[in-house]
Amino acid sequence: GQQVMQIPQYQHVQEGEDFTTYCNSSTTLSNIQWYKQRPGGHPVFLIQLVKSGEVKKQKRLTFQFGEAKKNSSLHITATQTTDVGTYFCAASNYQLIWGAGTKLIIKP
Amino acid sequence: NAGVTQTPKFQVLKTGQSMTLQCAQDMNHEYMSWYRQDPGMGLRLIHYSVGAGITDQGEVPNGYNVSRSTTEDFPLRLLSAAPSQTSVYFCASSYLGPPAADTQYFGPGTRLTVL
Repeated sequence: GQQVMQIPQYQHVQEGEDFTTYCNSSTTLSNIQWYKQRPGGHPVFLIQLVKSGEVKKQKRLTFQFGEAKKNSSLHITATQTTDVGTYFCAASNYQLIWGAGTKLIIKP
Repeated sequence: NAGVTQTPKFQVLKTGQSMTLQCAQDMNHEYMSWYRQDPGMGLRLIHYSVGAGITDQGEVPNGYNVSRSTTEDFPLRLLSAAPSQTSVYFCASSYLGPPAADTQYFGPGTRLTVL
């Protein structure tokens, strides 16, 4: 079946460094959503991208949808401790297909 | 407006026992779904429903049953629990289901351990 590959699995950063996670699909996607899950919590919706080449920003978070609608990225500038958690992409075609998530870890 | 509620929060079962995980939403959403999340993994779809009386299988349906008699409720039944079903279970709802780009609202989860 359709899969969405999300990389990396983990990213360790110093507070203040940037963070990026990528999602890739072998097929064209109708749209893609991004969610954040805090440790011990449930996924919470961040944003959805629908148009080819779309870029959306939420404060320090930048979301991109590729021109071919087969890939997407989430970039966080100057990470803070409040950014800790796992970030998931979810691609919507016939079903909602989830990436495995990228865990953002702030180095002590 | 409570959103999506799930009970219980935690559950320990013995192999072979059955139980029902409850899920309810008060947002009048048509689409509801059940996921399981295993450590370090993403969400895998178990069953979903596009409206009252309509359910269908997801990616990992074996060992689970669902029903949708009302718009609000979507219980998940474990028929005969196995250790492989130890996981965190999330219920989610949205007004529209895929392929529509519609926000999924998640419940707080049920942490199930099968001994």
